[in-house]
Amino acid sequence: AQSVTQLDSQVPVFEEAPVELRCNYSSSVSVYLFWYVQYPNQGLQLLLKYLSGSTLVESINGFEAEFNKSQTSFHLRKPSVHISDTAEYFCAVSAGGTSYGKLTFGQGTILTVHP
Amino acid sequence: DVKVTQSSRYLVKRTGEKVFLECVQDMDHENMFWYRQDPGLGLRLIYFSYDVKMKEKGDIPEGYSVSREKKERFSLILESASTNQTSMYLCASSLLGNSPLHFGNGTRLTVT
Repeated sequence: AQSVTQLDSQVPVFEEAPVELRCNYSSSVSVYLFWYVQYPNQGLQLLLKYLSGSTLVESINGFEAEFNKSQTSFHLRKPSVHISDTAEYFCAVSAGGTSYGKLTFGQGTILTVHP
Repeated sequence: DVKVTQSSRYLVKRTGEKVFLECVQDMDHENMFWYRQDPGLGLRLIYFSYDVKMKEKGDIPEGYSVSREKKERFSLILESASTNQTSMYLCASSLLGNSPLHFGNGTRLTVT
């Protein structure tokens, strides 16, 4: 079984500041890792994913995450945030094999960007 | 673009009622999922299905059942709604194992 811990329930930052949203996971098997974002009154959208290959993955809107196997972490970072990045962010893990892609989610981190 | 449609955005039901939450996807995806979302708990998997008429329990199946008679439709059933089932329910689909999940906008269910 897998589990995911997001270490911060809320992260307030000012516009143009850097941000890091922390995620740690536990699993007895190799995993795939995801970050999803949920804007107010919407469903979740995929932000980025790590399946294999380079441990640093990037999204189209400037976020990046690094898979660190030794520390079992997949922290999300952005060097300069915008007001429009205000949302709730979820880290998720999926086991390979016959898991059918079902995800285990963390508790979520609410990112609030202030002007 | 994949579209996952949940039939109701808001529902209010009484304790003991039988409740149906409907979800339809338009991209011929194999896998479909029902999650519930509660503040501070994230998303928890209720049931999933990897093929028509196939279903598997997730982490919190108690009090729920599902139906998948057609590939595009996955229904969540609350046989006898209780107040602790007040929550946001999210449906998702994916093409294959470890393909990204595509989510609907959710159904906010209130049981009084």
